Amino acid sequence: ETGVTQTPRHLVMGMTNKKSLKCEQHLGHNAMYWYKQSAKKPLELMFVYSLEERVENNSVPSRFSPECPNSSHLFLHLHTLQPEDSALYLCASSQGGAGLAAYNEQFFGPGTRLTVL
Amino acid sequence: SQQGEEDPQALSIQEGENATMNCSYKTSINNLQWYRQNSGRGLVHLILIRSNEREKHSGRLRVTLDTSKKSSSLLITASRAADTASYFCAYSGYSTLTFGKGTMLLVSP
Repeated sequence: ETGVTQTPRHLVMGMTNKKSLKCEQHLGHNAMYWYKQSAKKPLELMFVYSLEERVENNSVPSRFSPECPNSSHLFLHLHTLQPEDSALYLCASSQGGAGLAAYNEQFFGPGTRLTVL
Repeated sequence: SQQGEEDPQALSIQEGENATMNCSYKTSINNLQWYRQNSGRGLVHLILIRSNEREKHSGRLRVTLDTSKKSSSLLITASRAADTASYFCAYSGYSTLTFGKGTMLLVSP
């Protein structure tokens, strides 16, 4: 257990569905991240939140919408996804505010395996 | 591409042997980190080495960093079947981590 939980662990959705992924960290960290991991590709950083403010958005399509209501919770809202969005979505957290987040190790959740039909 | 590159892409060894994985990167870094991922699971942090360090140990792990060559290596000594996993390097500039594609390590009993 890394102290970062993600739900659901598996999700199958149609292209017209709306769903949300949830991440919660119990480590007292103040930076949280969403990553996408596709087969045979490096881990792709999607969003970074530091002190509940989004500090990075790596040109992610608008069909992915993050939300960080407090420093312990992070959501990824999904709508009108495409089959190529099928992947493992990983949440992570770390200590450090804006500009410092990458100075420290990141703690990852177990991921949500998303399949878009 | 600014991503790190691991070498080899896959490595198969017998229990008890040592495993060495290499990582190259392209930019100046603050630190370089190594992570392990068991199949379909989240990543687990193994070790962090800062840019002013040359070598670091943690249990059976030894990491080296050569900033002049922009490269790092991870050595796992006396490997065990439980070490079977994918290993990723991730380097940090001043904002976020950039991950490589990883090395798949298979340790056979």
